[in-house]
Amino acid sequence: DAGVIQSPRHEVTEMGQEVTLRCKPISGHNSLFWYRQTMMRGLELLIYFNNNVPIDDSGMPEDRFSAKMPNASFSTLKIQPSEPRDSAVYFCASSSPYGYTFGSGTRLTVV
Amino acid sequence: GESVGLHLPTLSVQEGDNSIINCAYSNSASDYFIWYKQESGKGPQFIIDIRSNMDKRQGQRVTVLLNKTVKHLSLQIAATQPGDSAVYFCAEKKGGDDKIIFGKGTRLHILP
Repeated sequence: DAGVIQSPRHEVTEMGQEVTLRCKPISGHNSLFWYRQTMMRGLELLIYFNNNVPIDDSGMPEDRFSAKMPNASFSTLKIQPSEPRDSAVYFCASSSPYGYTFGSGTRLTVV
Repeated sequence: GESVGLHLPTLSVQEGDNSIINCAYSNSASDYFIWYKQESGKGPQFIIDIRSNMDKRQGQRVTVLLNKTVKHLSLQIAATQPGDSAVYFCAEKKGGDDKIIFGKGTRLHILP
């Protein structure tokens, strides 16, 4: 079991550019979550999917953020246009009835 | 509203001593609580969980205590080791909900 796989591990981009973060959940896990982690706000839930359907996107900061889950094995979180305040570590997690597993995160720096 | 409150202090503990990390939660509808450990450069890792029908649960070197009356959760780590150095988060989940809400974390620093 390779766990939850996120890519890229690090991303540095200029303000105004589009950023796409990717996540491959654990096979068989029905739910997928995107979290953002900053020192100021801690771990914030942005959005989660159940069986590929978005269930709660109330944590998405604004319209610049969007997330998709086209199939059970892939999800993306897109920021367009990116801003310096989006700099954070973005985690993807997937879950089964037995618990959550987190990926290693993508560290995003917007300059 | 829902919140799991945990100011972000640093707890320094001598190697071999016991550690106690505390957490307050505010959502009385939460019925499942989890402690996570996050090491530098990694995602949070599950340590131990407890359901609201229990007040204590023990694992290997870790114990979670739940006091629903005062909405308080604690994590006890016995015989703290250097490998225990990390940030620890409590998290809560409401029955029927899939999402987990995290507190802000406590950094545990082990003194040699």
